[in-house]
Amino acid sequence: QSALTQPPSASGSLGQSVTISCSGTSSDVGAYSHVSWYQRHPGKAPKLMIFEVSKRPSGVPARFSGSKSDNTASLTVSRLQAEDEADYYCSSFAGGNTLVFGGGTRLTVL
Amino acid sequence: QLLLQESGPLLVKPSETLSLTCIVSGDSMSSDSFYWAWVRQPPGAGLEWIGSIYHTGSSYYSPSLKSRVAMSADTSKSQFSLRLSSVTAADTAIYYCARQGGGTGWPFRSPMDVWGRGTTVTVSS
Repeated sequence: QSALTQPPSASGSLGQSVTISCSGTSSDVGAYSHVSWYQRHPGKAPKLMIFEVSKRPSGVPARFSGSKSDNTASLTVSRLQAEDEADYYCSSFAGGNTLVFGGGTRLTVL
Repeated sequence: QLLLQESGPLLVKPSETLSLTCIVSGDSMSSDSFYWAWVRQPPGAGLEWIGSIYHTGSSYYSPSLKSRVAMSADTSKSQFSLRLSSVTAADTAIYYCARQGGGTGWPFRSPMDVWGRGTTVTVSS
């Protein structure tokens, strides 16, 4: 079971949109709809932003959206705000009773 | 409101066993709707799933840590625990406990919807 692959960094200007990818395999991301995204600000605990590919928990702004195509999941943040600057991690159920995280992407808001 | 709080030694010597407890408050651990997980983040690295446990004691572990990990749950005390044996410097990390729930179907596949604040554990002599 290998970690999911995310770009180490991403950036976008205030008010613009940015998409972060999460690449897995046919045994994890490609096989299941149980893909989640977490936001982590420095010194804080991770916060669930998206679950089951595209569902948003109560309280998460609609600017955050998720999707999946084949073995790759994506998180899109629209209308970027300064407070969106954080690390983002994807996660997937990987079969065999295991879970796997991505390596994380640092989002910078310019 | 559900709150999770990690507790345990902040410094562990190499080759010894790391022991952490997560205290659950604000809701019952005995619900069939949740699993309870441990996740860690080594310095400069990403999140790593360690394992998850059900209130019955049924547990699943990361294949890469399985030989060294043991988790337990004590619903009477509303807490669950992690033991990681034969630690090395590579086990230095922030350790988080979390609840898995709110998803569709089997709770083990659910997202981690509530997290503790995390505790930093350093392995050093």
